[in-house]
Amino acid sequence: EVQLVQSGAEVKKPGEPLKISCKGSGYNFATYWIIWVRQMPGKGLEWMGIIFPDDSDIRYSPSFQGQVTISADKSISTAYLQWSSLKASDTATYYCARLYYYGSRWFDSWGQGTLVTVSS
Amino acid sequence: QSVLAQPPSVSGTPGQRVTISCSGSSSNIGSNTVSWYQQLPGMAPKLLIYSNNQRPSGVPDGFSGSKSGTSASLAISGLQSEDEADYYCAAWDDSLNGPVFGGGTKLTVL
Repeated sequence: EVQLVQSGAEVKKPGEPLKISCKGSGYNFATYWIIWVRQMPGKGLEWMGIIFPDDSDIRYSPSFQGQVTISADKSISTAYLQWSSLKASDTATYYCARLYYYGSRWFDSWGQGTLVTVSS
Repeated sequence: QSVLAQPPSVSGTPGQRVTISCSGSSSNIGSNTVSWYQQLPGMAPKLLIYSNNQRPSGVPDGFSGSKSGTSASLAISGLQSEDEADYYCAAWDDSLNGPVFGGGTKLTVL
């Protein structure tokens, strides 16, 4: 069974760094793209970036370029999303999902989400 | 402002059929397939429809999808209270070289 398990909820202060994770199991993690998605409170889904763990090819959404860093360690089947300096506006739930690409593309498996709260 | 346009809300009574629209452009829906996701309150999104009209195993046949030109639709037949959720459409965008999502539609079962 394909599973993505994300790290737990975080409460941080503005200016602090943070790295959250997404661990895949039940499939060859290296050979499927992983997407990170932001959902602000009461709002919709926003694509942040996407990574191919096998060679760490990364594409960022223009809205998030320079704001976050995406990485992956295929040896432990884990993708990461990190901030160097959090802002209150980063308060949101963050999801990772697997991109299934077979001619067409869709996100077939999602992590449970990581709630990040940034408050002084 | 989301790239794909969805109505903010739709509603229906138990047993009824409702549809949710999703409008895009030539660079996304017009040239790529559409997928739909269901997000129950407090939960992660779940794949509902892929490749415009295909249901993953386990998704009831009351859910169906269609696409025409630069628009797509999700239909839900035999509405049940447990269908109350937010629904999102998505498609790859060739200009952005990444996915785009609709703003989401909240389904209320009256």
